[in-house]
Amino acid sequence: QQQVKQSPQSLIVQKGGISIINCAYENTAFDYFPWYQQFPGKGPALLIAIRPDVSEKKEGRFTISFNKSAKQFSLHIMDSQPGDSATYFCAAVFQTSGSRLTFGEGTQLTVNP
Amino acid sequence: NAGVMQNPRHLVRRRGQEARLRCSPMKGHSHVYWYRQLPEEGLKFMVYLQKENIIDESGMPKERFSAEFPKEGPSILRIQQVVRGDSAAYFCASSPGKIGLIAKNIQYFGAGTRLSVL
Repeated sequence: QQQVKQSPQSLIVQKGGISIINCAYENTAFDYFPWYQQFPGKGPALLIAIRPDVSEKKEGRFTISFNKSAKQFSLHIMDSQPGDSATYFCAAVFQTSGSRLTFGEGTQLTVNP
Repeated sequence: NAGVMQNPRHLVRRRGQEARLRCSPMKGHSHVYWYRQLPEEGLKFMVYLQKENIIDESGMPKERFSAEFPKEGPSILRIQQVVRGDSAAYFCASSPGKIGLIAKNIQYFGAGTRLSVL
């Protein structure tokens, strides 16, 4: 199976709070898991990515947590800001074979001031 | 180093016309991917191309849609005899290919072409 399931569909957080978006995948052959951020009218922009041999990766306020045995990974946005309001997509790919990205359904994040 | 360039940004076609969407990958990138995003939906893979070759077109509708990535020039996604259901945002992504295992399939997206079929 190639599916990637993402939740929640929408998320509202207060400024300064923590935003958490979860994804689960089925195909254990996936070997690279990027997150993309998309603002209205724009293309998806690569935010942060992780390989399955790493349990956590942090870049600034963004952290990916990865649970290989559960086939789940999540994005945490610390100290969420109104400028973080966007749609976030998790994805999975076979890194070494140059194949398609399989995307989750997306999470629309709204950070209230 | 310019990013992935797509044009036009917006395209309006009447039913039955042809739509041609262009994508110039990032400099040094030899892999091109096309994705479609229907309103309020996620991104769905359509086709994966390398120079002069279609590698994977399993996400492409069987009829009316075609794609190419010639030796010279941009990649083209062509939709013949458009219908209202083709209205969507079409995104192109490129990746560098063989620059080490880690960097090979990091895909960078263009701003998209928003197709409206009247």
